[in-house]
Amino acid sequence: EAQVTQNPRYLITVTGKKLTVTCSQNMNHEYMSWYRQDPGLGLRQIYYSMNVEVTDKGDVPEGYKVSRKEKRNFPLILESPSPNQTSLYFCASSLFTSGDSTDTQYFGPGTRLTVL
Amino acid sequence: AQTVTQSQPEMSVQEAETVTLSCTYDTSENNYYLFWYKQPPSRQMILVIRQEAYKQQNATENRFSVNFQKAAKSFSLKISDSQLGDTAMYFCAFMKPFFTGGGNKLTFGTGTQLKVEL
Repeated sequence: EAQVTQNPRYLITVTGKKLTVTCSQNMNHEYMSWYRQDPGLGLRQIYYSMNVEVTDKGDVPEGYKVSRKEKRNFPLILESPSPNQTSLYFCASSLFTSGDSTDTQYFGPGTRLTVL
Repeated sequence: AQTVTQSQPEMSVQEAETVTLSCTYDTSENNYYLFWYKQPPSRQMILVIRQEAYKQQNATENRFSVNFQKAAKSFSLKISDSQLGDTAMYFCAFMKPFFTGGGNKLTFGTGTQLKVEL
């Protein structure tokens, strides 16, 4: 089944304890992206990647890191989480970035993160 | 920067009836894409429909259709024959194509919570 998977789905942690949220897609998609969803704000892009070893900042990159060593994986790293990073996180991917329907983004199931 | 506005935080509709969700956006771009995503209680983000700005014809997907008014920068979603399973948060989103320097970033509105009632 074609899908985007995220792990963990739920995580409660404490301030300053490094964590990684994994994202994997099995559709050979080139483009991957991370968003966070907060009440009343919709979803906002954190980072994106056009392809392996190519990443760039979105609108809210502060406090996050990403890497793209393999095409299928795009982990989100919080080196020192803080309570303001408590949020619902989504990974998304699309086949190409060419500007036709192949750039439609498909989302993973989300990761609910709570930082105490 | 682009902005997307959904002015209806909540709406309700009777089963089998038709409902229209509003969305307006602000951009100076000519080439862009618009989307409606649905987020049911499971929190999964599900693509409902997509519209290319260069296409005058409104997109349709089964019971879902849009009214795209480019000059007015309006992009409403019409759901016909509403079903209980349509109960969800609906997000309108804007995207600049990558080749225009948009990074394929989706800019979302704040959502409209739709409840379909018996």
